[in-house]
Amino acid sequence: GAVVSQHPSRVICKSGTSVKIECRSLDFQATTMFWYRQFPKKSLMLMATSNEGSKATYEQGVEKDKFLINHASLTLSTLTVTSAHPEDSSFYICSARPQSSYEQYFGPGTRLTVT
Amino acid sequence: GQSLEQPSEVTAVEGAIVQINCTYQTSGFYGLSWYQQHDGGAPTFLSYNALDGLEETGRFSSFLSRSDSYGYLLLQELQMKDSASYFCAVRGPYGQNFVFGPGTRLSVLP
Repeated sequence: GAVVSQHPSRVICKSGTSVKIECRSLDFQATTMFWYRQFPKKSLMLMATSNEGSKATYEQGVEKDKFLINHASLTLSTLTVTSAHPEDSSFYICSARPQSSYEQYFGPGTRLTVT
Repeated sequence: GQSLEQPSEVTAVEGAIVQINCTYQTSGFYGLSWYQQHDGGAPTFLSYNALDGLEETGRFSSFLSRSDSYGYLLLQELQMKDSASYFCAVRGPYGQNFVFGPGTRLSVLP
């Protein structure tokens, strides 16, 4: 149980375009989902906390207009990187927290490359 | 500010025991989590301490001392498949791991 999927697993886009990444909890309902960013051989950086039906809470230094987060249902959160630039290239990982637990389950990640 | 410190690399042989330390300095502390991440993969949960003491889960144990702002992950009977990066993370009030440590790369040698 407690499986989280992400789609796509890899995406290459041109500078200036927008990319949407989906995060789904497959076998549980997640009131809270989290979005992280990870650079090669570096640690995870929490970008934002997403609660179903309300606005996401962004960490300091993360541009909310650039990284749009929508948590439309208890099993789906999306991250849209708007007007992507090469410096946005990174590994984006989501995690989901079941309603009855404080544990987090991570998705497999999405590798974004902006050319 | 928020900071966690971990050793960058640890090397050990199969069958050995290794301890990975984590010290933290954060505003707001609700617990310390440990995650394993293989290259190219997502982090997987290993252990969690909200209170002082030792938590044991199979070959992995985790310890926390809140007064010392210190914890460690203990891996016993090391196997080759344990070669990975290990991260400690501080939890916030909503269960979010809001600060991750820099990670410790463990290499298990035959």
